[in-house]
Amino acid sequence: QVQLQESGPGLVKPSETLSLTCTVSGGSISYYYWSWIRQSAGKGLEWIGRIYITGSTNYNPSLKSRVTMSVDTSKNQFSLRLSSVTAADTAVYYCARENYFDGSGYVSDNWGQGTLVTVSS
Amino acid sequence: EIVLTQSPGTLSLSPGEGATLSCRASHSVTGSYLAWYQQKRGQAPRLLMYGASSRATGIPDRFSGSGSGTDFTLTISRLEPEDSAVYYCHQYGNSPFTFGPGTKVDIK
Repeated sequence: QVQLQESGPGLVKPSETLSLTCTVSGGSISYYYWSWIRQSAGKGLEWIGRIYITGSTNYNPSLKSRVTMSVDTSKNQFSLRLSSVTAADTAVYYCARENYFDGSGYVSDNWGQGTLVTVSS
Repeated sequence: EIVLTQSPGTLSLSPGEGATLSCRASHSVTGSYLAWYQQKRGQAPRLLMYGASSRATGIPDRFSGSGSGTDFTLTISRLEPEDSAVYYCHQYGNSPFTFGPGTKVDIK
């Protein structure tokens, strides 16, 4: 049973960079897309973007100028960096696996438990 | 960007009843790449349906999905107390992928 676990600081100062890592256990990081999704009271669920094991990425245009995703296959981890954060970036951040279902594309079928990141001085 | 609208906002039902949740997209969803998630308080979303009508692993057949284009429906039959949750639709056919605002289902 594949499990995902987010880790990183729970408090980030305004204008600084939010950095989170997702560790995948119980399975390989290969052959899937890996995504980041956040949830806030104000904006609901928001897809941030995804990365494939080749390093190919798709980012939400609303965040693209501030987002960087990376993957480390040797550690079975992938990461999110979001720069120049403001209070609007306060949210629960989830990492998720996007699995391919024949004829139905890649869909997030396995999520981490989520980690709350608060942006405040 | 495809905007998803869900209705109703809240459903209050009794055990054994059925529920019909609607999700409407601002533009046609490519390939009917529409998923439904269930989220209970303090938990991550759980995949229920994908491809509009395919049940995810371990999901009981009380849950069914239908629709195409811009109109999709999640039907829950024979409601159980454990079905109390917020249900989200999610389109993953057109980037950026988007989520609906959710329908809260209360089972009393």
